[in-house]
Amino acid sequence: ELKVEQNPLFLSMQEGKNYTIYCNYSTTSDRLYWYRQDPGKSLESLFVLLSNGAVKQEGRLMASLDTKARLSTLHITAAVHDLSATYFCAVDILPMEYGNKLVFGAGTILRVKS
Amino acid sequence: DGGITQSPKYLFRKEGQNVTLSCEQNLNHDAMYWYRQDPGQGLRLIYYSQIVNDFQKGDIAEGYSVSREKKESFPLTVTSAQKNPTAFYLCASSIGNSDTQSFGPGTRLTVL
Repeated sequence: ELKVEQNPLFLSMQEGKNYTIYCNYSTTSDRLYWYRQDPGKSLESLFVLLSNGAVKQEGRLMASLDTKARLSTLHITAAVHDLSATYFCAVDILPMEYGNKLVFGAGTILRVKS
Repeated sequence: DGGITQSPKYLFRKEGQNVTLSCEQNLNHDAMYWYRQDPGQGLRLIYYSQIVNDFQKGDIAEGYSVSREKKESFPLTVTSAQKNPTAFYLCASSIGNSDTQSFGPGTRLTVL
């Protein structure tokens, strides 16, 4: 059974600081997704990582994927209050030709303090 | 505007009742999914459908049923057999393969 573990589960950080959220998974996959969820809201897609060594950046967020280590990271640079949300990673467990079926981590609650 | 709609936004159910949650998409996506989210937890897959008239069980299908008669629609029925149905239900769709899944706004179901 695939396990997807995120850490930390809760992160309180000061504005302007940097930090990294980690996503480890227990089986082979070369497709990983990051989503953001605001309280009481749905999920918003942030990044799709489709190969080993993939790196994507959007604003203050940068995501990377190491399929050999079965590890993805979401790095936050110079945090601002608007980044406060819950961040989920999700691993695709189907072969690409069969579509996609995601297993989600438990989520990391990020609070950025002024 | 293209997107995914779910209705109702809030739903209250008495014990022993079946209820049906609606999910419609106009993105022309082939694949559709239903997830359940409990407070402070990640999403768990209930059912998914890669094409019309076909669907597969996810990790927590017991007590739920679905149909996929049209490409645009993937309704979820929460039956009385589901012992703890109070949760936030999210519908998603994707083109398939490596495409990211787009999520609807969700339905919050509460059992009274």
